[in-house]
Amino acid sequence: DQQVKQNSPSLSVQEGRISILNCDYTNSMFDYFLWYKKYPAEGPTFLISISSIKDKNEDGRFTVFLNKSAKHLSLHIVPSQPGDSAVYFCAASGGYGGATNKLIFGTGTLLAVQP
Amino acid sequence: GAVVSQHPSWVICKSGTSVKIECRSLDFQATTMFWYRQFPKQSLMLMATSNEGSKATYEQGVEKDKFLINHASLTLSTLTVTSAHPEDSSFYICSAEGTSNVREQYFGPGTRLTVT
Repeated sequence: DQQVKQNSPSLSVQEGRISILNCDYTNSMFDYFLWYKKYPAEGPTFLISISSIKDKNEDGRFTVFLNKSAKHLSLHIVPSQPGDSAVYFCAASGGYGGATNKLIFGTGTLLAVQP
Repeated sequence: GAVVSQHPSWVICKSGTSVKIECRSLDFQATTMFWYRQFPKQSLMLMATSNEGSKATYEQGVEKDKFLINHASLTLSTLTVTSAHPEDSSFYICSAEGTSNVREQYFGPGTRLTVT
């Protein structure tokens, strides 16, 4: 049962344009969401997070939007840069009674930013 | 801040031997650490939650006698893969809860284990 899904395995964007990565979840008890960037053979790097009490959080070029009614979140990167090329994972936590900080990861989206 | 290291970065061992992987929080204290594994082109799967001074909590389907976790100090957690088999070959990654925001986790660089 995949509770966190990233339906696009890959995305290609031109440098300078906006990258939009999407993530859907099924567990309505999740109350905290995170985006990580990962290169092959490296650990994930934290990018940005959002609590379920908000619908938007912005940090520099990265903005995360949360639509609780649709159980959907998205990461916007603007402007996209070649160095942004990596696999992006969304993750969710909450609602596990005593272990609220366990992260459930999506399947990842490979972003390729073309120069 | 929030730097997590892992050692070794890669290891090759023979089937039947045991391998220990260390996870350290370098500039902060981590009461709780997590161990994940990732198979090629797949997501990160949580194996266990490691709490300093107490027994680890394992996820369903993870053999606690095979994957021994010890969290003896606030900066070190270890994962020992006992009697390793080729199917244990994977990328193992640890993480630590953030101190300013415990809902965020900071990850180590990972350890590539290959069992021959």
